[in-house]
Amino acid sequence: TQLLEQSPQFLSIQEGENLTVYCNSSSVFSSLQWYRQEPGEGPVLLVTVVTGGEVKKLKRLTFQFGDARKDSSLHITAAQPGDTGLYLCAGNQDNFNKFYFGSGTKLNVKP
Amino acid sequence: EAGVVQSPRYKIIEKKQPVAFWCNPISGHNTLYWYLQNLGQGPELLIRYENEEAVDDSQLPKDRFSAERLKGVDSTLKIQPAELGDSAVYLCASSLGPGQGINTGELFFGEGSRLTVL
Repeated sequence: TQLLEQSPQFLSIQEGENLTVYCNSSSVFSSLQWYRQEPGEGPVLLVTVVTGGEVKKLKRLTFQFGDARKDSSLHITAAQPGDTGLYLCAGNQDNFNKFYFGSGTKLNVKP
Repeated sequence: EAGVVQSPRYKIIEKKQPVAFWCNPISGHNTLYWYLQNLGQGPELLIRYENEEAVDDSQLPKDRFSAERLKGVDSTLKIQPAELGDSAVYLCASSLGPGQGINTGELFFGEGSRLTVL
C-alpha cells in the first residue's frame, strides 16, 4: 500500500493542452517534492514545497501544496513533447532524509 | 562534479544466482539510499544510511538482501539468491545528511541498475 496515491496513473495528451496531476494522502507531510523521471534515468527534482497552501511556479509548471499538507498538485500549461516522462511526488514526514514516493503518473505528450 | 554512479547498468541472471550492485554517491553526501523501482511505479525504499550506519532498513527483505557501506562512502547491495520477483530497477540516491549545512532535502539519483531474473 502506497502512502501517497497519484492520479491519473497514465495521461496521453496532445501538444499544447493543459493538464493536472494529483498527489493525495491521508497523512500529513512536513514537505513534499515533485520529481520527473525519463526512461533509463533516475528521477530529477523539480520542486520542494514546505508550507501549507504554498504555490510555486517553474516556467509552465505550477505546484501547489494543500492547506492541510496532505496533498499536492502539479499543473502543466501548454504541454510540450519534452514534458513526457514519469512524474513522482515524494513526501517527507520526519525530516529531510526520509521520503515516501507516490505511485507515479506517466505522461505522454504527442506532437 | 560527478553525480551518483551505479554499476552495472544492466544485469541478467538466472533465479537462485547471487547478484551485487555498487553505488558511489556524490562526494560529501553523508546520506545514501537504495530504492527498488518496478516498471512505471514509484521508488520504494530498501535501506537508508547516515554515513556508515543503516538508520532505516525496515523494508529490506533480510532473508535474501544485504547491504553495506563500510567506510561511509560507496555502498553495495546484494541479493542472494535472486528470485523472479526481484526483477526491477535498483536505484541509488544520495543527499546531504543532518548537520551538513543547508539541507533542501533533494535526493540525487543514479541511473539505476536494471535486474532481470530468468
